[in-house]
Amino acid sequence: AAGVIQSPRHLIKEKRETATLKCYPIPRHDTVYWYQQGPGQDPQFLISFYEKMQSDKGSIPDRFSAQQFSDYHSELNMSSLELGDSALYFCASSLGADTQYFGPGTRLTVL
Amino acid sequence: GDSVTQMEGPVTLSEEACLTINCTYTATGYPSLFWYVQYPGEGLQLLLKATKADDKGSNKGFEATYRKETTSFHLEKGSVQVSDSAVYFCALSGSNSGYALNFGKGTSLLVTP
Repeated sequence: AAGVIQSPRHLIKEKRETATLKCYPIPRHDTVYWYQQGPGQDPQFLISFYEKMQSDKGSIPDRFSAQQFSDYHSELNMSSLELGDSALYFCASSLGADTQYFGPGTRLTVL
Repeated sequence: GDSVTQMEGPVTLSEEACLTINCTYTATGYPSLFWYVQYPGEGLQLLLKATKADDKGSNKGFEATYRKETTSFHLEKGSVQVSDSAVYFCALSGSNSGYALNFGKGTSLLVTP
């Protein structure tokens, strides 16, 4: 069965640079969630989209923005990167409020 | 707000031992409860879920029962294998949080031969 696809899988950036993470949900899923997982931490919710509209916002910094496109894929844009942004970024997709299925994650390292 | 508390790890067990990882929650309304597993270097995989009180979720020999009276969702397995070594996250999802998952801190399990 098709799973959630995230790209890139690994990303290395310098401080103050920008990064764009992409997420392709499971076909026919209309909801996308973004989570951030620091080293040894539990995942923290950042933001979610339902039918291309932002549906909920968690602990997402103002330096980050995201959107969901007409084909339901989503992008997380991160600017003015800081060392503390180094983490695993997960995307999950669902059909409405049903069970969320996670992608493999993007490991972001900020130097 | 909604929250999940799970037992601290790491937990180390010998192969074929019994496993229990405790999870309790605080929530208004009627959340759905989940266990996700994260193998080293990998993403989060759904292990099992329960959507209402007294439901039992089960998968791969693991099971957990949604207990509203004790606000608990403990994960159990009768006989663990080395391949079960991973980090286990208890999580809840409800309308109060826009259905975003609220995770516990995770419990690391190491099973030795």
